[in-house]
Amino acid sequence: ILNVEQSPQSLHVQEGDSTNFTCSFPSSNFYALHWYRWETAKSPEALFVMTLNGDEKKKGRISATLNTKEGYSYLYIKGSQPEDSATYLCALPNNAGNMLTFGGGTRLMVKP
Amino acid sequence: DVKVTQSSRYLVKRTGEKVFLECVQDMDHENMFWYRQDPGLGLRLIYFSYDVKMKEKGDIPEGYSVSREKKERFSLILESASTNQTSMYLCASRKQGAWEQFFGPGTRLTVL
Repeated sequence: ILNVEQSPQSLHVQEGDSTNFTCSFPSSNFYALHWYRWETAKSPEALFVMTLNGDEKKKGRISATLNTKEGYSYLYIKGSQPEDSATYLCALPNNAGNMLTFGGGTRLMVKP
Repeated sequence: DVKVTQSSRYLVKRTGEKVFLECVQDMDHENMFWYRQDPGLGLRLIYFSYDVKMKEKGDIPEGYSVSREKKERFSLILESASTNQTSMYLCASRKQGAWEQFFGPGTRLTVL
């Protein structure tokens, strides 16, 4: 089983603050990294898949970077809004690419 | 709009009961998954099905079985429910070869 860790476990910020959190994983045998967002009472939704060292992806105010050599990915949210409140999950596939191992998630709460 | 539905949002069962959780997807996806989510542990894979009647164990299959008789439907079965199976259960589907998983809304199961 892959060891995928996310930090912090939870985060409270004020509306307008920018924030970031981390996903750490074993740097050997890297294949891909996925980010998902899970809002309360809704289904998790895919944000990004990242495969190359140095990859940077962006979706609106949310962006992510990837460092496969040191085994981490950062997710950034610029100017947080209350609607950004959610649990953010990262996941890595196994060698066969057919199953995902998820980290514990970072729960973000944005206060208006 | 793609859709994964689960038979119940909330379910309360007694210890020893046989429990069926149903998942249906309308996207003609080959792959389907069952996860459970517990606080601080992220999503953990219980079982994976890559096609009709085909299944593979995930990270935590003990106490569970699955059935995939039709492509669109994937059932999770708790043969004899126990209190440690109280959890949020999420179903997901994915097109073979694609990276993105599409999730259902989850079933919160309480075993008394």
